[in-house]
Parts: sequence; C-alpha cells; structure tokens
Amino acid sequence: RKEVEQDPGPFNVPEGATVAFNCTYSNSASQSFFWYRQDCRKEPKLLMSVYSSGNEDGRFTAQLNRASQYISLLIRDSKLSDSATYLCVVNHKYDYKLSFGAGTTVTVRA
Amino acid sequence: EAGVTQFPSHSVIEKGQTVTLRCDPISGHDNLYWYRRVMGKEIKFLLHFVKESKQDESGMPNNRFLAERTGGTYSTLKVQPAELEDSGVYFCASSRRDSQTQYFGPGTRLLVL
Repeated sequence: RKEVEQDPGPFNVPEGATVAFNCTYSNSASQSFFWYRQDCRKEPKLLMSVYSSGNEDGRFTAQLNRASQYISLLIRDSKLSDSATYLCVVNHKYDYKLSFGAGTTVTVRA
Repeated sequence: EAGVTQFPSHSVIEKGQTVTLRCDPISGHDNLYWYRRVMGKEIKFLLHFVKESKQDESGMPNNRFLAERTGGTYSTLKVQPAELEDSGVYFCASSRRDSQTQYFGPGTRLLVL
C-alpha cells in the first residue's frame, strides 16, 4: 500500500470554479502535512502547510482530518495559473524525509 | 536569496557509465536531501544529510549510488555503473536546521540508454 494516495484526476474546471480534492496517508505517525505544487517539468514548490485546525491562504484552503488520515485542498475562484499538479506530502514525527503522493492534476480552462 | 541549484540539468549516458550529479543548497541550510522520481511514479526519498553527516540513507536503492557532502556545503550523487532503471528526475532539496520546510532544486533529468 502506498504511504500517500491521491486521486490523480485530472480535474478540468472553468475559470472561477471551485475545485477540491484530497489525499489519504497510511502512517499514523505522520506529523507534518503539506501541499506542494508542481508545474510541468519543474520542481515541486511549497504551496502551503496544513495544520490540524485547517488553514487558508488566499483562495486556497487546506484541511486535515487526523482521525480519518486524510488531507484536503480546496481552490476557490480558479485562475488559469492554478493549472498544475498538486502533490500531497507528509513527513513523520521522527525524521525529516518527505513522503509524496503521485499528484492530482488540475487544469483550469478559459 | 538564491535557491537550490543542481547541475547538470540533463544527462544522457549509456548503461554502465558513471554519472555525477551536483546540488548546491540554499546558503546556511544544514539539511540537504536527495529525492528521485522515476517515470510514472511518485517522488521518493533517497537520503538526508545534516551538514556533512548522512542522517538517513534508507532510500538509497543499492550500492551503485554514492552520495557525499564533504565540508557540509554542496553535495554530489554518483551512480556507478548506471543501469536503465536509474533513469528519472533527481531532485535535491534543502532546509534550515529544525525546519520542516524543504526547498527543491530544479532537478537533474537522467536518461540511461
């Protein structure tokens, strides 16, 4: 079983729409949670950390459900520039290595 | 602040040859990581340096891979001899001491023919 599972999509949405997707993680010792964004043939870039209480950064809202071991990301008022692959990433309590999901592809169309 | 840099950006070699990848972390970052993404798979951890010391090399696939970080600055990852299955994108990342936030370099795309 993969440590981090994501719906690969693709999610194809019009500009201005809301899109949401989530991921699940298998290791209950996971401590820190992140969403990274990766554009085609580029490096992953940190979009936001995910906190237990949920957090928002502009049009992006992340939620964490520790009991069910899933993390979600919601994008409001989608822009063309939001088109990317979104990587769900976790790490463990006792080490720094990151475990990645395979990514969810989002395409925002005009 | 300059980001993580990697060299080369691309490398095409034949099976059996040796390739050395280089990573320069963000200045002042004690933690340096190597990750790899092979075709169709997720990014996977290879190893973690804290300064010049290997903290965790549990992700290294086999003894054909050798990573070094002499002096605790830049790091190299050598593959010798390269095999077809080593093809992929090798990412380096760095972070400050005690920080969970890792910054990634642009990656080296390795193709073994």
